[in-house]
Amino acid sequence: DAMVIQNPRYQVTQFGKPVTLSCSQTLNHNVMYWYQQKSSQAPKLLFHYYDKDFNNEADTPDNFQSRRPNTSFCFLDIRSPGLGDAAMYLCATSRTGTGSYNEQFFGPGTRLTVL
Amino acid sequence: AQKVTQAQTEISVVEKEDVTLDCVYETRDTTYYLFWYKQPPSGELVFLIRRNSFDEQNEISGRYSWNFQKSTSSFNFTITASQVVDSAVYFCALLSGNTGKLIFGQGTTLQVKP
Repeated sequence: DAMVIQNPRYQVTQFGKPVTLSCSQTLNHNVMYWYQQKSSQAPKLLFHYYDKDFNNEADTPDNFQSRRPNTSFCFLDIRSPGLGDAAMYLCATSRTGTGSYNEQFFGPGTRLTVL
Repeated sequence: AQKVTQAQTEISVVEKEDVTLDCVYETRDTTYYLFWYKQPPSGELVFLIRRNSFDEQNEISGRYSWNFQKSTSSFNFTITASQVVDSAVYFCALLSGNTGKLIFGQGTTLQVKP
């Protein structure tokens, strides 16, 4: 089945220690997104790639970076995690068609704990 | 400005009851898309439905139905004969056709008791 895969499902890191979360997709979608979701809140978009073009949200901290080496993979790098970065991180994909965006399909998420 | 409001924070029903989740949106776009997603305790957001701004037809899928009314900027979701497995957080979301940015409501937590 075509899907969005996130690894690991649970990640524990230490305060200030860099961490990388990964996302892969078999849907061949050209757009990939990273969201941060804290407890009892809606997902918050951090950034997205439209093909190779990176689109950062204005309020995404510099501490968060992303890489997309190819269509299938996208990484979220947190350079110096703080306690406030503990959250669920969701990857999503979508495809564009006739100039418009379509529905986003989400992976299972990575729950990040910062000690 | 674009905004999605889900006024119901939590709803609790007994199994087999019908329940409606409300969603009201704001946008100045003429072309936009509305979605409902389900987030069970496992955390994954599951896509339920997409509706285009130019298609006001209501839709039924099994026990699920959606009522889209542009006149009131609402996109409500009804679960008929609810089941315990329906317990989850449900998000309504608005997508701008131009930016691709998905604007989520705050979510409604639905608890279905046996």
